[in-house]
Amino acid sequence: GAGVSQSPSNKVTEKGKDVELRCDPISGHTALYWYRQRLGQGLEFLIYFQGNSAPDKSGLPSDRFSAERTGESVSTLTIQRTQQEDSAVYLCASSLGTGARTEAFFGQGTRLTVV
Amino acid sequence: GDSVTQMEGPVTLSEEAFLTINCTYTATGYPSLFWYVQYPGEGLQLLLKATKADDKGSNKGFEATYRKETTSFHLEKGSVQVSDSAVYFCALDTGGFKTIFGAGTRLFVKA
Repeated sequence: GAGVSQSPSNKVTEKGKDVELRCDPISGHTALYWYRQRLGQGLEFLIYFQGNSAPDKSGLPSDRFSAERTGESVSTLTIQRTQQEDSAVYLCASSLGTGARTEAFFGQGTRLTVV
Repeated sequence: GDSVTQMEGPVTLSEEAFLTINCTYTATGYPSLFWYVQYPGEGLQLLLKATKADDKGSNKGFEATYRKETTSFHLEKGSVQVSDSAVYFCALDTGGFKTIFGAGTRLFVKA
């Protein structure tokens, strides 16, 4: 597609339920990132995929969080047993190459509310 | 590890005032540097970038110069407008295929 697409755009879930967030990166972009943005705060890195290399999971806040990506296509971020502190906007971005070509293109985000 | 530090906000200015948002970085390699902007209700978008020392990135009246000696990439604009109200993020990429973002600085411009 023309840009990074995320779904759903909004998700309200009950505490303790699992949620799955989806990201469709720009075609041909080998790198894909997930970030979390809590209300009024900056970007918190969660996980990074680069091609077929092992993902960088160093930002995942707990073992309730996991993410998958098949090749250079769609990625899903799964949050198990959601907590109210998980409420945030989850942003996905993709990029191509290194140096000047690593401009990250962001999706509109998924706003997750845990009630 | 690599990191980006931005001045804390919010920054509140009157229209036509001069803007500076400080950004410093720590990196082991020779990073490319970026400023992203997030307007209210919108997603992040690239504002400007610089790929090597002494490069100046510019866009929409904003400028930032890549200063290797001070490891800085401060964002400046000579005359801000109400429409510039947004959150600004400084970011770097060291060529390791990972973009690292600062915490963001919120700018309010009053008419």
